[in-house]
Parts: sequence; structure tokens; C-alpha cells
Amino acid sequence: DAGVIQSPRHEVTEMGQEVTLRCKPISGHNSLFWYRQTMMRGLELLIYFNNNVPIDDSGMPEDRFSAKMPNASFSTLKIQPSEPRDSAVYFCASRTGTGNQPQHFGDGTRLSIL
Amino acid sequence: KNEVEQSPQNLTAQEGEFITINCSYSVGISALHWLQQHPGGGIVSLFMLSSGKKKHGRLIATINIQEKHSSLHITASHPRDSAVYICAVSPRGNLIFGKGTKLSVKP
Repeated sequence: DAGVIQSPRHEVTEMGQEVTLRCKPISGHNSLFWYRQTMMRGLELLIYFNNNVPIDDSGMPEDRFSAKMPNASFSTLKIQPSEPRDSAVYFCASRTGTGNQPQHFGDGTRLSIL
Repeated sequence: KNEVEQSPQNLTAQEGEFITINCSYSVGISALHWLQQHPGGGIVSLFMLSSGKKKHGRLIATINIQEKHSSLHITASHPRDSAVYICAVSPRGNLIFGKGTKLSVKP
């Protein structure tokens, strides 16, 4: 079975550029999560979707961040314009059913903003 | 104060030792998760529990809902157990994470 697939694995870009991270959840999973991991703050929820609908976006840092899930098999996290403090590892995870199911994580995208 | 606190932050053990990592939380939850993050960065779900105890191989996870506390135990530790272990709680659909415990098991 294919797991959660994230792309790119690594991204290095200059500040001010638009960055788009992509995620393909496990087929049949109806919840999708975007997390950010930094040394200072650890793992934090950015946003999560249930049946393609955003449920909780309270973790999205500011208007520069946006996330979409146009269909059940694809989601994007966009940062525009990017800033050096956005440098982090961004994880996507998916889950089936309700909250009492384990989440399956992608390998993450390591983002560096110069 | 963080909603999920783990201890210790760092742990070094000799191969074969019994290891305990603790997690305390301050919010109401529907489930608690233990995750493992290897040096390469990938995150794997080890356990999800809402009561009692679960065992998988050399790993055991327990939870006390009344005390809002969980422990992860590793028996007969091995260098390949070296990783960051993260406790996370699920109050609704999302996860709130602890800062993690970095475990190093020396041969």
C-alpha cells in the first residue's frame, strides 16, 4: 500500500518566493492534516480537513499561509510570500474514520527559506 | 504551560536496559498517541490508546485517564530503538504534541 506521499522532499528558495507543498493522502482516508515541525516549537497543527472541508485552521500562522483540498486525493499548502522564519519540516498526515484512528504521516518536506 | 508535557527530554541508556518515558496532559482527550521519529525524520504511529494498556513486541504503553498520565516502556532496549518518542493527545479530531523525548541506546 502506498503511504501518504508528499512532494517535494526538500525545497530551498529565496525569501519572497511562493512555495507550494503537495500531499496525496492514503486512498480511502477522509481526514488530512498539515503539521509544521521546528526545533523551537516541535510539531504543531496548521490545518486539518475532513471530507475535503477545512475543519480547524487556527494553527495557520498568518494570511501568507493557505491550504486547499480540491478533492479527496490531493491537498496543497501554499506560502506566499515566504520568509526565513517559515523554514521548517512540513508534514502531511491522513486518517480514516473518526478521531480514534491512528494518523499516517508522510515523509515530510524540508523547507529552507534563504 | 504546555498542554502536553513529556519527561525526560533526553535519555541515554545502555543496550538491554528497561526504559520509561512519561507524558502528562492537561486537556480532556478522546485518545492518546505515541509516535516515533527516527533520525531520518519519518514519523510512525506506535500506539493509540484511550484506556488501560497496549503491548507491541518490546513496547508497552499505559494510560491513566483520571491522572491524565501515560507511560511508554521499552523492554530490553536496543540501539535501533534510538529515536525521538513523541506523545500526542487528541481532544477533538486534531493532535496536540509534546516536545518529544530523544532516546539514545548505546551498545
